[in-house]
Amino acid sequence: GAVVSQHPSRVICKSGTSVKIECRSLDFQATTMFWYRQFPKQSLMLMATSNEGSKATYEQGVEKDKFLINHASLTLSTLTVTSAHPEDSSFYICSAARQGSGEQYFGPGTRLTVT
Amino acid sequence: EDQVTQSPEALRLQEGESSSLNCSYTVSGLRGLFWYRQDPGKGPEFLFTLYSAGEEKEKERLKATLTKKESFLHITAPKPEDSATYLCAVSLTSGSRLTFGEGTQLTVNP
Repeated sequence: GAVVSQHPSRVICKSGTSVKIECRSLDFQATTMFWYRQFPKQSLMLMATSNEGSKATYEQGVEKDKFLINHASLTLSTLTVTSAHPEDSSFYICSAARQGSGEQYFGPGTRLTVT
Repeated sequence: EDQVTQSPEALRLQEGESSSLNCSYTVSGLRGLFWYRQDPGKGPEFLFTLYSAGEEKEKERLKATLTKKESFLHITAPKPEDSATYLCAVSLTSGSRLTFGEGTQLTVNP
């Protein structure tokens, strides 16, 4: 159990376009999901926390108008990178928290390249 | 300020050479300590959760232990397929977010 999927796994887009990344918990309900960004050879950097049915909480320095997060159901959260630029190129990973235990299960990640 | 520090940054072992990875933490109100394994280009894979000092958990060649100040991930007779980055993270009683250490990159040579 505790499987989290992410789609797409890789995406290449042109500068100025928007990209949507989906994160799904496949076998459990997640009231809280998290979005991380990871640069090469660095640890995970939390971008935002999303709770089902409410607005996401963004970490300091993360632009909420650029990284739109929607958590419409107990199994799905989406991250939309709006007006993407080359500096947004990164590895984006989501996680879903299992209720009660606090354990977070991670998706396989999405490699975004902005040209 | 809450801090999680992992050591060493990198570790090279020969196959069968047992060792330990360290995760020390300074936090106000520990809810749980988590160990993950991350392979290149993939998301972290959950390994263990520890909640209280003295707790131990095992899975195959891995054993995680917890004290009031640190956690150890012991690797017994490692194999090349154990090569990965091992991440330690803590969650606090005040919230659900995880604070990660910088990770230990483990390489096991055949």
